[in-house]
Amino acid sequence: EVQLVESGGGWVQPGKSLRLSCTASGFIFDDYAMHWVRQVPGKDLEWISGIFWNSGRAAYADSVKGRFTISRDNVKNSLYLQMDSLRVEDTALYFCAKDGDSSGGLYYFDSWGQGALVTVSS
Amino acid sequence: DIQMTQSPSSLSASVGDRVTITCRASQGISFYLAWYQQKPGKAPKLLIYAASTLHSGVPSRFSGSGSGTDFTLTISSLQPEDVATYYCQKHNGAPLTFGGGTKVQI
Repeated sequence: EVQLVESGGGWVQPGKSLRLSCTASGFIFDDYAMHWVRQVPGKDLEWISGIFWNSGRAAYADSVKGRFTISRDNVKNSLYLQMDSLRVEDTALYFCAKDGDSSGGLYYFDSWGQGALVTVSS
Repeated sequence: DIQMTQSPSSLSASVGDRVTITCRASQGISFYLAWYQQKPGKAPKLLIYAASTLHSGVPSRFSGSGSGTDFTLTISSLQPEDVATYYCQKHNGAPLTFGGGTKVQI
């Protein structure tokens, strides 16, 4: 059974940094791309970043490009999101998600964690 | 970037009804479209990918169709457990944009 467990969420002031982690189990981690998707409670889903299976490539939404950095450690079966220069509008529930395609590229999301809440407020 | 527009934004139907949700892409995306179901307080669940491929374990009353710019998610016979918000998502390359969601109520 695929399990994705996020950690590292919390409250942070605008302009500060936070790092989210996602620990994966139940599948061959380095066969798949991984993603971060966020959702303001009660609002829509927003894909913010994805990383290919071998960390060779990553992609970002314009809303976080230049401020957030995605990375992975295929030995530790872990995904990370370094969030710098945080803004009030980054307040959301952040989901870690596994790509559904075994080619290792960025496609769709077949497994999700339960999310880590990030609150940016002064 | 390609925008994804869903309609309607919400609907109410009766148990046993056939329900159809539409997703339109601002440019052609071939068959690269996925559908998700999200219940309150839960993470989304994948229903369909590649426009019409049913994900493992998803009930057969769910189906998807379409290609290019116009896509449809159909629930052939609405069940009480189908009350949720449904999202479409393009998967032909980054950014992997979601539609605005359709809330289905009974």
